[in-house]
Amino acid sequence: DQQVKQNSPSLSVQEGRISILNCDYTNSMFDYFLWYKKYPAEGPTFLISISSIKDKNEDGRFTVFLNKSAKHLSLHIVPSQPGDSAVYFCAATSHNAGNMLTFGGGTRLMVKP
Amino acid sequence: GAGVSQTPSNKVTEKGKYVELRCDPISGHTALYWYRQSLGQGPEFLIYFQGTGAADDSGLPNDRFFAVRPEGSVSTLKIQRTERGDSAVYLCASSKDPTGKLFFGEGSRLTVL
Repeated sequence: DQQVKQNSPSLSVQEGRISILNCDYTNSMFDYFLWYKKYPAEGPTFLISISSIKDKNEDGRFTVFLNKSAKHLSLHIVPSQPGDSAVYFCAATSHNAGNMLTFGGGTRLMVKP
Repeated sequence: GAGVSQTPSNKVTEKGKYVELRCDPISGHTALYWYRQSLGQGPEFLIYFQGTGAADDSGLPNDRFFAVRPEGSVSTLKIQRTERGDSAVYLCASSKDPTGKLFFGEGSRLTVL
């Protein structure tokens, strides 16, 4: 029973355009959400997070949106760059679980020059 | 180095053998986590240490898996009587405290033949 789902295994976008990666969750106890980026043969690296008290968090080219009623979050990258090509993981946790994260299956983003 | 270090980077073993995977966290990080990433999936939580003690081992799949962190720094994940289904990348991560930013190592790829 997957509590965090990323339904698109891959996404291809043109350089300069917007990339939108989606994530759905089922556990109502989750109140903190994170996105990680992973390059081949490297560990995941933290990208951006959002608390359930907010519906948007922005950091440079990266924005995460949270829709609590729909149990849905999305990561927007604009403009997309070839160096953004990687696997992106959505993760969720609750305030009393700290860094015991539940991850989605990942979406492979390919940004074409 | 300054990051989380994991050894070996690759381990090939035969079914039934015993395996140890080592993690050296970032200096000063009290919280240490083990995750497992199977092919095509996101990382799955295995066990979390706060200092020397296992604060939560609810993710360990069965009693063939065991982990220690005797001095509150380096941790070893031990797998007895390995099975082909244990093949995965085992990721270690550390953070300053249980709610701090999580830093992952590059992982140890285990292949059980």
